[in-house]
Amino acid sequence: NAGVTQTPKFRVLKTGQSMTLLCAQDMNHEYMYWYRQDPGMGLRLIHYSVGEGTTAKGEVPDGYNVSRLKKQNFLLGLESAAPSQTSVYFCASGRGTRSGELFFGEGSRLTVL
Amino acid sequence: AQSVTQLDSHVSVSEGTPVLLRCNYSSSYSPSLFWYVQHPNKGLQLLLKYTSAATLVKGINGFEAEFKKSETSFHLTKPSAHMSDAAEYFCVVSDILTGGGNKLTFGTGTQLKVEL
Repeated sequence: NAGVTQTPKFRVLKTGQSMTLLCAQDMNHEYMYWYRQDPGMGLRLIHYSVGEGTTAKGEVPDGYNVSRLKKQNFLLGLESAAPSQTSVYFCASGRGTRSGELFFGEGSRLTVL
Repeated sequence: AQSVTQLDSHVSVSEGTPVLLRCNYSSSYSPSLFWYVQHPNKGLQLLLKYTSAATLVKGINGFEAEFKKSETSFHLTKPSAHMSDAAEYFCVVSDILTGGGNKLTFGTGTQLKVEL
């Protein structure tokens, strides 16, 4: 009964370092999303994927890259971390209809020093 | 573009009293609207959703919301607050992304505090 699983849950980076966040879902959803959450701003969409092998930009894509090599996994990468990328990152998956809900992971808290 | 505005960033109630969390939306057509809840250090959980069927929507844990087109509102209510309701609540509108999938646009959140 895992749903959406994110790893790691916490990470501290120095400016300029790189890292990858992994998201895995076991609900066979076509659509997957990466959001970031900052105080007083709600959640903002970084990148999303409409299926295996596809990715697209959301509202705030700069500084991030993503890959969806397998349907169940969606990776978010930071090539050169900046303090402005300190945030809580949420992965979500869903069936893609306008009325459809998204299912969220528990978040990954990233601090960039 | 669709958007939602949550009118209160913080709401404080006493246990056993009613809860009202306010949300207004902006949409050029009939929207799909949601309320999500986030407990401390947890992911987001769907409370309820409106998808153009009944205007009064019932969700989990005794919450409900009423879609009022004339007021462009989708306020969340609960008759009697419980300590476990203390969390952050997000009003959300859904739209279709280019190429497929649905994009959720979040309000800035309302922190609900429940006092004894």
